[in-house]
Amino acid sequence: DAGVTQSPTHLIKTRGQQVTLRCSPKSGHDTVSWYQQALGQGPQFIFQYYEEEERQRGNFPDRFSGHQYPNYSSELNVNALLLGDSALYLCASSSRLLGTGFGETQYFGPGTRLLVL
Amino acid sequence: AQRVTQPEKLLSVFKGAPVELKCNYSYSGSPELFWYVQYSRQRLQLLLRHISRESIKGFTADLNKGETSFHLKKPFAQEEDSAMYYCALSIYNQGGKLIFGQGTELSVKP
Repeated sequence: DAGVTQSPTHLIKTRGQQVTLRCSPKSGHDTVSWYQQALGQGPQFIFQYYEEEERQRGNFPDRFSGHQYPNYSSELNVNALLLGDSALYLCASSSRLLGTGFGETQYFGPGTRLLVL
Repeated sequence: AQRVTQPEKLLSVFKGAPVELKCNYSYSGSPELFWYVQYSRQRLQLLLRHISRESIKGFTADLNKGETSFHLKKPFAQEEDSAMYYCALSIYNQGGKLIFGQGTELSVKP
């Protein structure tokens, strides 16, 4: 099992463009969370998907959207990119054994580093 | 708002010295707390979690609800412990959302 995989590893975009990041969860996991990690900061929660629906959302604008497919893989879309969107984007997967997601261990991917010029 | 604070950005110790990485949280309910670690050029991985009460790689952490703290400790640091450490909080009515601290870089010198 390769664990959580993300693509691409690096991406360069210009302001105003749109970007799509992809994530495949660890085998056996059905829940995907996305985090943004700015340089020198801890990861910040963007949203979580379970059963193809957004279940929780952090304090991010509507420019950030996502999708989960029936095979549990997920995409993060960011529209109208701003310079401040430059960051490492982390995907994490987990299994909803407890029903709510509370307290479940999340397994992280290597991240996609996005640079907006 | 719920928050996790790691007051030290960098902690530098000598091999064999005790280590304590501080983590304080703001939440009035019953939290679930985690320590994640990121070694150089590796992905973020779970080190330990409050509910399992395990000791991993010699590290332990005790939840102190009175002081709202979850400090990470190890009696004798090793050079391979050098890494970035993040404390994270999970809250019952916010599902799987993890709230992370800013992280502490631990440097263990020979």
